[in-house]
Amino acid sequence: KNQVEQSPQSLIILEGKNCTLQCNYTVSPFSNLRWYKQDTGRGPVSLTIMTFSENTKSNGRYTATLDADTKQSSLHITASQLSDSASYICVVSARQGGKLIFGQGTELSVKP
Amino acid sequence: DAGVIQSPRHEVTEMGQEVTLRCKPISGHNSLFWYRQTMMRGLELLIYFNNNVPIDDSGMPEDRFSAKMPNASFSTLKIQPSEPRDSAVYFCASTGQSGTDTQYFGPGTRLTVL
Repeated sequence: KNQVEQSPQSLIILEGKNCTLQCNYTVSPFSNLRWYKQDTGRGPVSLTIMTFSENTKSNGRYTATLDADTKQSSLHITASQLSDSASYICVVSARQGGKLIFGQGTELSVKP
Repeated sequence: DAGVIQSPRHEVTEMGQEVTLRCKPISGHNSLFWYRQTMMRGLELLIYFNNNVPIDDSGMPEDRFSAKMPNASFSTLKIQPSEPRDSAVYFCASTGQSGTDTQYFGPGTRLTVL
């Protein structure tokens, strides 16, 4: 069964600190993996998209990594800001242009 | 571009009533997706269209749900009759032709069925 598991479920960090969110998947055949940020009351916003051949991709203070062999991805946030408080969702596509399988998300709270 | 537009933003209705949610995708996008999000189940894909044609509706929970895309600039998701367990936020998203194109989400419609 195609699944996407994220950890931790929630995380609280102090402003300025770094953090790493994890995503493990069993989706096959793999096409691409996306990380989304969802602020409370708003729709998800894409942070990164990685295909099978990509190991890392950055978007400002956000850096995503992908290990297609172990089927793991991580999202690293550097020098966190209060505005980083949101839900971060890992999404894996089973085939190009096809259905997306969503993780349950990690709820990040950045405190001053 | 105004982005993906959804209406209404909030809907409160009584059990048994018909509910119609509307979506206008970003101009030029070929694919449109309907999602449902709840605290318990997270984001779930309900159905997606490519060039106005439904491609995968396996996520539609039951026959009470139906979706149409009569043209490239408009789609509807209808629930008839609605039930309290349908209460959720419904998102519409659109994307270009490529499988690695970014999906752009609308602001969502928060549906409450009493």
